[in-house]
Amino acid sequence: AQTVTQSQPEMSVQEAETVTLSCTYDTSESDYYLFWYKQPPSRQMILVIRQEAYKQQNATENRFSVNFQKAAKSFSLKISDSQLGDAAMYFCASNAGGTSYGKLTFGQGTILTVHP
Amino acid sequence: DTEVTQTPKHLVMGMTNKKSLKCEQHMGHRAMYWYKQKAKKPPELMFVYSYEKLSINESVPSRFSPECPNSSLLNLHLHALQPEDSALYLCASSHRQDLSGANVLTFGAGSRLTVL
Repeated sequence: AQTVTQSQPEMSVQEAETVTLSCTYDTSESDYYLFWYKQPPSRQMILVIRQEAYKQQNATENRFSVNFQKAAKSFSLKISDSQLGDAAMYFCASNAGGTSYGKLTFGQGTILTVHP
Repeated sequence: DTEVTQTPKHLVMGMTNKKSLKCEQHMGHRAMYWYKQKAKKPPELMFVYSYEKLSINESVPSRFSPECPNSSLLNLHLHALQPEDSALYLCASSHRQDLSGANVLTFGAGSRLTVL
């Protein structure tokens, strides 16, 4: 079984500043994957970044990067040079490899507000 | 085409009505999913189809009836719903695994359902 915890219901950041969203997880799987999804008011759930647990190197996608601490079971998202379009609900999620596909376990989400 | 298309965007129905939600993708994905999402909550998995066969049913009430007529199309038939079934219904699709072994879901924009 997997659990994902996001301890920050809401966060805010000034435009052009940096913000970090926290996520911790627990899993009994040896093969698993971690994701950050963004859901703006338009409702579309958009994949922001993904991390394979077997990779030590932190994933990066343009202004988005993660700090993956496997031993601590921590997976935080850093957004650099925040933009107004980054305002959304952010969900941390995990799933196991192999036969457990499709069963994404989501955290409770963090609402990010970006101030101009 | 990298989209999952859901119709209708909004649906209002009475408790005695029969309606359907439709989901379509042309990415060659062989797994398709229905999720239910309440306001400001994470999505909850309802059903998973793999190669047009139902592989996961998360104990969903029978008033929700999924159907996968072909590899590109997924329907959710609704009958005798309750007001508490009002929610955003998200469809998603994925390959079994990508090259890294991850099962990465692509979501549609959802169908907002209101049951009166």
